[in-house]
Amino acid sequence: QVQLQESGPGLVKPSQTLSLTCTVSSGSIISSDYYWSWIRQHPGLGLEWIGYIYYSGSTYYSPSLKSRVTISVDTSKNQFSLKLSSVTAADTAVYYCVRWRRYYGLDVWGQGTTVTVSS
Amino acid sequence: DIQMTQSPSSLSASVGDRVTITCRASQGISNSLAWYQQKPGKAPKLLLYAASRLESGVPSRFSGSGSGTDYTLTISSLQPEDFATYYCQHYYSTPLTFGGGTKVEIK
Repeated sequence: QVQLQESGPGLVKPSQTLSLTCTVSSGSIISSDYYWSWIRQHPGLGLEWIGYIYYSGSTYYSPSLKSRVTISVDTSKNQFSLKLSSVTAADTAVYYCVRWRRYYGLDVWGQGTTVTVSS
Repeated sequence: DIQMTQSPSSLSASVGDRVTITCRASQGISNSLAWYQQKPGKAPKLLLYAASRLESGVPSRFSGSGSGTDYTLTISSLQPEDFATYYCQHYYSTPLTFGGGTKVEIK
């Protein structure tokens, strides 16, 4: 059973760059069936999709965050990463890495990691 | 972007009740719809995909229906472990978007 695990700092200062990594275990990130995504959830609120990366490196970002987001993949480490630049308090959220199985939905989720933006 | 409107935003129900949650897309999404259950402090869990297909391991009391722009999640007989927040989400096109959620509480 594939598992995803987020890692990275839980506290980021305003204007800095948020950096998270997702490690994929018990399965390969190299698959034509999946898109590797990041989703966030603001405290007490709903879910916001940030973007995805394919194992080949092709990406798609949500238009609302596109100017600040970079998602990358390291197939040798079976990991993919999120960078969000110029963060503000509005970026405080739980960040999830998620596997998107095309035509099936978001079928595997990491446990989530809380990132707080504060000085 | 396709907007997903979920209703109600919350409901109170008793164990054994039949519960229905609706989701409306701002344009047709050809059954490219998934439903998720989220419990406090936990990641969402996929319940159904393709509007009506049950994810492996999900109890059969959960069902989905709909077409075009309108979709429904039904819990046929609410169980204590079903009290949670439910989200719909389309994957018809990018960006993927979610409904606002429906919190199912104990009456």
